[in-house]
Amino acid sequence: AQSVAQPEDQVNVAEGNPLTVKCTYSVSGNPYLFWYVQYPNRGLQFLLKYITGDNLVKGSYGFEAEFNKSQTSFHLKKPSALVSGSALYFCAVRDTSGGGADGLTFGKGTHLIIQP
Amino acid sequence: DTEVTQTPKHLVMGMTNKKSLKCEQHMGHRAMYWYKQKAKKPPELMFVYSYEKLSINESVPSRFSPECPNSSLLNLHLHALQPEDSALYLCASSPDRSGLIYNEQFFGPGTRLTVL
Repeated sequence: AQSVAQPEDQVNVAEGNPLTVKCTYSVSGNPYLFWYVQYPNRGLQFLLKYITGDNLVKGSYGFEAEFNKSQTSFHLKKPSALVSGSALYFCAVRDTSGGGADGLTFGKGTHLIIQP
Repeated sequence: DTEVTQTPKHLVMGMTNKKSLKCEQHMGHRAMYWYKQKAKKPPELMFVYSYEKLSINESVPSRFSPECPNSSLLNLHLHALQPEDSALYLCASSPDRSGLIYNEQFFGPGTRLTVL
């Protein structure tokens, strides 16, 4: 079975400072990892994904994420936070070992609050 | 057209009512999904359609009945729901069944369902 853990319910960052939202995963096969953002009363917006290749993945709105196989982590990062980025962030995984649902398995989500 | 649309945005229904949720995409995607999201929780997969055929049903109660009339449209028929079924229902689509595990899913804004 596949699973995702987001250890922080909430992350507070001052505008202009760097931010990190943590994610660790557990899969049987190779992981395909995704980050999504959800604004209040909205659907999920895709930010970036890791499939294979470079461990540093760049995505939308200046976000990037670093895949670390030894630590089974896929932390989301941004060099300089913007107030408009305050939202709920979900890490998700899809396992390549087969036998599971084709849908995504999501972490519980992390509220990112960026203070002016 | 690069979006997934869902109607209605809000729905209030009694436990004896029959209603339907509608999802539409015109991106040529051949996989479509229904997720259920409770407040402050991650989305949970309900159904997956691949090339208009139901491929995954995550043990969802029969009071939820999905339908995929064509490649652009996905419905969720609701009957005899319970108050605990109140949630945000999200539809998503993904480009192609064969490349499913590589592709991100595109989410609609959701239907906020309240069951009285």
